[in-house]
Amino acid sequence: NAGVMQNPRHLVRRRGQEARLRCSPMKGHSHVYWYRQLPEEGLKFMVYLQKENIIDESGMPKERFSAEFPKEGPSILRIQQVVRGDSAAYFCASSPSGLVADTQYFGPGTRLTVL
Amino acid sequence: AQSVTQPDIHITVSEGASLELRCNYSYGATPYLFWYVQSPGQGLQLLLKYFSGDTLVQGIKGFEAEFKRSQSSFNLRKPSVHWSDAAEYFCAVGAVSGGGNKLTFGTGTQLKVEL
Repeated sequence: NAGVMQNPRHLVRRRGQEARLRCSPMKGHSHVYWYRQLPEEGLKFMVYLQKENIIDESGMPKERFSAEFPKEGPSILRIQQVVRGDSAAYFCASSPSGLVADTQYFGPGTRLTVL
Repeated sequence: AQSVTQPDIHITVSEGASLELRCNYSYGATPYLFWYVQSPGQGLQLLLKYFSGDTLVQGIKGFEAEFKRSQSSFNLRKPSVHWSDAAEYFCAVGAVSGGGNKLTFGTGTQLKVEL
């Protein structure tokens, strides 16, 4: 059973470009979480999605960031007009349900570098 | 709002020595507590979790953690450290938010193992 897949693993963008990060959850998981890890910091929650729905986006910056989890295909975290402060590792996690008791399984992350 | 404090940023132990990583949490209700480990360039792997019941929780790789409500702590322990345990360790508290389980992480403890 494949784990959570994220691609690309490394992404380099120049200021002002768009970044698209993809996350394929584990088979059978319909709940996806995105977290951001800034250098020397812990992971911070960004958004929680179920298929075709954004459930909680309380951790998402108000501008330039968006997320989706379509009926078919991976979840996408999109950052428009990237700035140097967006440089971070972005992790996706999935779980079979949204229950607190559920384990969240993490992908290997996408390391975004903004030049 | 919930929070997690890991007071030790770096810890160095000799191989074969015992280990204790500290974690203090703040949460208004019964906490759901987790320890994850992150190897360089990798995603997070769950070591153990606590929801209720026995306050001493056994995890993978020989790790255990003890929940102490009176001290708001959930310290991670291992009797004898192996060189392969060198990694970064994150404590997290889970809270139901918007219908899903949002994890709040501490800033992590970097473990170095001396041979």
